[in-house]
Amino acid sequence: DTGVSQDPRHKITKRGQNVTFRCDPISEHNRLYWYRQTLGQGPEFLTYFQNEAQLEKSRLLSDRFSAERPKGSFSTLEIQRTEQGDSAMYLCASSFTGGADTGELFFGEGSRLTVL
Amino acid sequence: AQSVTQPDIHITVSEGASLELRCNYSYGATPYLFWYVQSPGQGLQLLLKYFSGDTLVQGIKGFEAEFKRSQSSFNLRKPSVHWSDAAEYFCAVGGQAGKSTFGDGTTLTVKP
Repeated sequence: DTGVSQDPRHKITKRGQNVTFRCDPISEHNRLYWYRQTLGQGPEFLTYFQNEAQLEKSRLLSDRFSAERPKGSFSTLEIQRTEQGDSAMYLCASSFTGGADTGELFFGEGSRLTVL
Repeated sequence: AQSVTQPDIHITVSEGASLELRCNYSYGATPYLFWYVQSPGQGLQLLLKYFSGDTLVQGIKGFEAEFKRSQSSFNLRKPSVHWSDAAEYFCAVGGQAGKSTFGDGTTLTVKP
């Protein structure tokens, strides 16, 4: 297993366009998380899935954001009508909840979005 | 609500010198605590974790951290810093449903 992978690594788009990011978690992990990280800040929680169910969404996740995890495998994060304030690194992480819910996360390398 | 504070935004140390990065947390119960490292343009890599038991935990790359409940702290240390340690370091506390709350990070610069 090669870990969590994210695609694309970098995306430059114009304001108003839609973008989609993909995350492939570690195969045996049942939880998948999306975080957003802006310059000089730590990662901020956006949403998470347990298997295919989206169980929580942060108030940071406006109506322009939608995330899916069909069949409990890979996940996509779509941003519609992008705004310059959406420019950030979008981090995906996965975990396995076979034991205690510790919060130990395995991160991908992130997808950096620049909105012009 | 849980929170993490990393008081030092930027720290510079000489190669070979010792290092301590500070982390204070706020959490209602026994915390699960983590330190991650992030190189520029990369994701986060787990350095070490504390769940329970011995309050001094060892991690990868020669790092260690000490959990002090009385001070709500989980400081990261390394006895001798290498140039390759230059990166950003994040402290995090694990919460409900496995979500982690992160501090804003400390950027480490290593002088030759």
